[in-house]
Amino acid sequence: EPEVTQTPSHQVTQMGQEVILRCVPISNHLYFYWYRQILGQKVEFLVSFYNNEISEKSEIFDDQFSVERPDGSNFTLKIRSTKLEDSAMYFCARGQGASTDTQYFGPGTRLTVL
Amino acid sequence: DQQVKQNSPSLSVQEGRISILNCDYTNSMFDYFLWYKKYPAEGPTFLISISSIKDKNEDGRFTVFLNKSAKHLSLHIVPSQPGDSAVYFCAASGGFYGGSQGNLIFGKGTKLSVKP
Repeated sequence: EPEVTQTPSHQVTQMGQEVILRCVPISNHLYFYWYRQILGQKVEFLVSFYNNEISEKSEIFDDQFSVERPDGSNFTLKIRSTKLEDSAMYFCARGQGASTDTQYFGPGTRLTVL
Repeated sequence: DQQVKQNSPSLSVQEGRISILNCDYTNSMFDYFLWYKKYPAEGPTFLISISSIKDKNEDGRFTVFLNKSAKHLSLHIVPSQPGDSAVYFCAASGGFYGGSQGNLIFGKGTKLSVKP
């Protein structure tokens, strides 16, 4: 059973459109992470989120990206104006936030930008 | 800047034999290392981890070895099974980029094929 679920499993959008990817934790954890994997490349950290605030973000996570937990449960990643290079698998993970913490990943959302 | 490197993109092993997957890292501040297994169109699945204070951790058929002086870790799978065929990612945390939040730095992965 996955530690987190993600919706949708696949999202196709036109360049310049906004997309919202959702992550639903199954258990009550405080730390969440978003990662992405462009086809054929490694998994890359985007942002970590703790207690309704961004904890840390990578240089990939620019002003086009935002995260929030609108209802205290679902955890969303928004891309405001998608670009072709945003096409990737996006993974949500949950953890405890410590440097010696195991993170458990969701099944991912495949984003295709046309 | 690859802080975590998996230099072998692929590995083919016969069923029942040992699979050895290697990983090198450059950041001596990393204090926690993990191996994930990934099938196509799925998320990474946690396999096994090791803290920097240890040099070996074992869980069933999976053993991870850490050599801090060489900044090298390896995953041993014994015996290998066809169901082990997947991409294996090495990841590390605790470095300057990970900090206390535990953000993971991944290698590029090694595709393991176990032939019956």
